[in-house]
Formats: sequence, C-alpha cells, structure tokens
Amino acid sequence: GAVVSQHPSWVICKSGTSVKIECRSLDFQATTMFWYRQFPKQSLMLMATSNEGSKATYEQGVEKDKFLINHASLTLSTLTVTSAHPEDSSFYICSASYFEREAFFGQGTRLTVV
Amino acid sequence: AQTVTQSQPEMSVQEAETVTLSCTYDTSESDYYLFWYKQPPSRQMILVIRQEAYKQQNATENRFSVNFQKAAKSFSLKISDSQLGDAAMYFCAYRYAGGTSYGKLTFGQGTILTVHP
Repeated sequence: GAVVSQHPSWVICKSGTSVKIECRSLDFQATTMFWYRQFPKQSLMLMATSNEGSKATYEQGVEKDKFLINHASLTLSTLTVTSAHPEDSSFYICSASYFEREAFFGQGTRLTVV
Repeated sequence: AQTVTQSQPEMSVQEAETVTLSCTYDTSESDYYLFWYKQPPSRQMILVIRQEAYKQQNATENRFSVNFQKAAKSFSLKISDSQLGDAAMYFCAYRYAGGTSYGKLTFGQGTILTVHP
C-alpha cells in the first residue's frame, strides 16, 4: 500500500510558541491531504482539507489563524499550530489520497504544550 | 450531511471466539464507500476492510467480514477466531464516492475491543 510519513511523532513545545507538523506521501502524489485531531479514546475530528496549490478548506469551528495549513507540493502538506497553548495538546493525524483510492494515514503526532 | 454511529463504546471477546461490531450510517447519497479501520495502541490507522455501496456481496478479508445492509444503512464487522493482536479501537467510516474530495472520511465514535486470553 501507499506510505504516508508524518513528522515529528512527538513534540513538546512551550506555551506561546509555534510548532510545525509535516505530512509526506512517499510513493505517490496526493491530490488531497486531510488533517485530523484526536483526543484520547475519541474519534478523529476532521480539521481541514488541503489541495495542492490552493487554500485549505477548514471545518466549522476550526480556527484558520491558529492552524495554518500549507500544501506546497503533491507530496507535502504542513500543519503549523501557532501560538500554541495547553488546550492545543492533542494527537494530530494526517491522511493523503489520490483520485479514487482510499485514504492512507500517517503515524500521527502527539503534541504536548507546556 | 452524513453521519456514522457506533453504539458500542466497548466490546470484549475471548481469544478464538467471534465478535461483531455494529455501525449504522445516514446518507442521502446512493454511491459511497464504507470502511472499517483499526487503531491499535500505536495509534496508526490501519484499513481493515472496505465495501462499495453498489456491490451487494459482502466484503471479506481473511478473518474479517462485514454484513452490509444498504436499505437499513447498517454495516457491521465480524471478527472470527479473535486474536490478541485484534485488540484495538475500531472505527467505522463513510466516504462519498462523488465530488472531488477524494479520501474525505466521516468517522463513527469508535469501539474499543478487548481480547481476553
């Protein structure tokens, strides 16, 4: 199957700083990438849909200025959590898809803001 | 808007036994896909099985099979000969087959499966 790599797997940052999470499709060109947030023992909540070369589409209730998404190429999308605060601590997962294929998921990133 | 509901927050099964996880969904579309994903403690999402709505035949993958009832909008997962490695959180997911947001999934709440030795 197709491989999606997410980096870093785990990050701790200080409150008020920004942190960037990368999502790469290693062996295919992703037409679309998705970013999810997941709290412990809960479901995945879609944050935004990212298409290469265009602005991301955010789900209702997701702050665009706090969660900056850039999809600069067909193999890379980044999520930047700006001015992070403890309530932003969570597990973030990306997925990538191309055409009619099912979505492939990255390993996820555990963000802890202290 | 489509919704996916998993009414069993937790399930348990004895090793080598069979367990069925329930899922219902709501959509006004006729062409869509349904999935079951497994999320083990590593939290890596793993595709277990996929069902195309236009197919009447239920999908099977080794020990995993589904009971797809389109009219009832029901999509249950049966795990046969349960193994310790099956312990995980299982998510039912829906994807509309049309449009351009390929891969956009709507997830259920998840079911935590415990396998007892």
